[in-house]
Amino acid sequence: GQNIDQPTEMTATEGAIVQINCTYQTSGFNGLFWYQQHAGEAPTFLSYNVLDGLEEKGRFSSFLSRSKGYSYLLLKELQMKDSASYLCAVRYGNTGKLIFGQGTTLQVKP
Amino acid sequence: DSGVTQTPKHLITATGQRVTLRCSPRSGDLSVYWYQQSLDQGLQFLIHYYNGEERAKGNILERFSAQQFPDLHSELNLSSLELGDSALYFCASSVGGTSEETQYFGPGTRLLVL
Repeated sequence: GQNIDQPTEMTATEGAIVQINCTYQTSGFNGLFWYQQHAGEAPTFLSYNVLDGLEEKGRFSSFLSRSKGYSYLLLKELQMKDSASYLCAVRYGNTGKLIFGQGTTLQVKP
Repeated sequence: DSGVTQTPKHLITATGQRVTLRCSPRSGDLSVYWYQQSLDQGLQFLIHYYNGEERAKGNILERFSAQQFPDLHSELNLSSLELGDSALYFCASSVGGTSEETQYFGPGTRLLVL
């Protein structure tokens, strides 16, 4: 199978840093995406990793280790509006098909 | 706003019925993807069309079908509806059909089967 694993829920404090992990099966891997989804809304693109290392985009960073089948999304200077579900999605092979994890619901508290 | 549009926003229907969901991709995008999101299964890939041709299929039921028209809009047809088909249906688009492209999601159609 092509299971994508991420924690179901996380809680963090406003202004803090949180790291959301994602593990996946490495065979056929061809890119990893992070999306943010507020309840009842469309997923919105956050980041894309296909090579090992860290991609930084403002308050959000994403890291990838292809050999370990591991990625994380790092959110800094948390704001209340960051409370949402964060979806890890992996592309396998050369099609456009994305396999999504179940998502991590992040709650930011004051 | 991603630039992807979907209609209708909400749909309530009865078991056994048939519905059609519509998606217009971002201007210039040739690929359309359909996903189903239910509470217990997360986002599931259904099907991918590129410039009118089917490119990849996921766990799409035989009762479901899709097509992409010459103007690049796409329709997802769901027939013989069951209670379990109640879900959010998202359409996404990307510029081409290659594997590294980002997919941009529409606002979704919320389907409720009673």
